[in-house]
Amino acid sequence: EDQVTQSPEALRLQEGESSSLNCSYTVSGLRGLFWYRQDPGKGPEFLFTLYSAGEEKEKERLKATLTKKESFLHITAPKPEDSATYLCAVRSNYGGATNKLIFGTGTLLAVQP
Amino acid sequence: EAGVAQSPRYKIIEKRQSVAFWCNPISGHATLYWYQQILGQGPKLLIQFQNNGVVDDSQLPKDRFSAERLKGVDSTLKIQPAKLEDSAVYLCASSHPDSYQPQHFGDGTRLSIL
Repeated sequence: EDQVTQSPEALRLQEGESSSLNCSYTVSGLRGLFWYRQDPGKGPEFLFTLYSAGEEKEKERLKATLTKKESFLHITAPKPEDSATYLCAVRSNYGGATNKLIFGTGTLLAVQP
Repeated sequence: EAGVAQSPRYKIIEKRQSVAFWCNPISGHATLYWYQQILGQGPKLLIQFQNNGVVDDSQLPKDRFSAERLKGVDSTLKIQPAKLEDSAVYLCASSHPDSYQPQHFGDGTRLSIL
């Protein structure tokens, strides 16, 4: 069964203190790993898609990397506005035409000024 | 480009009542999804439409949940009768049919069952 585990559940950083969030997964054939940001009372906002091991994507202070078993979201010199829940999701080969995303439970990031 | 629109934003009902949610996807997106997000969890897919047709409804509780997408654009999700465990945020998402395209989400409807 496809599964996504995110750690830590919560992370508190000081402004400027870099860190990484982890997403480990087991899937029957990966058809993409997705990172989303979710603010309170809002829907998930798309950040990155990674398709194959070794791939990296960057956006402002965020960098996502992918291996065969896990993905990391690196946050460099975070600012308070980076505070949010970060969700990881995978899409597998199971089920043919379905584009179902399997989500982790997220990491709640708080960046203090 | 306008995002995914959902209404209402909030709904409070008593158990055993019925409720309906509406979604308007991003223009040109043929694929539409309904997800359920329980507090503290990630979203879980309920149903996926490709144009008017259902692609995946394997996790939809069909004894109480129903969804339709008439004319391949707007969609409604209905719960009848509601149970306490249906309290959640119901998220609508849309994407291009290509399975490698990201799904874009609306802000959801927060449902509380009393």
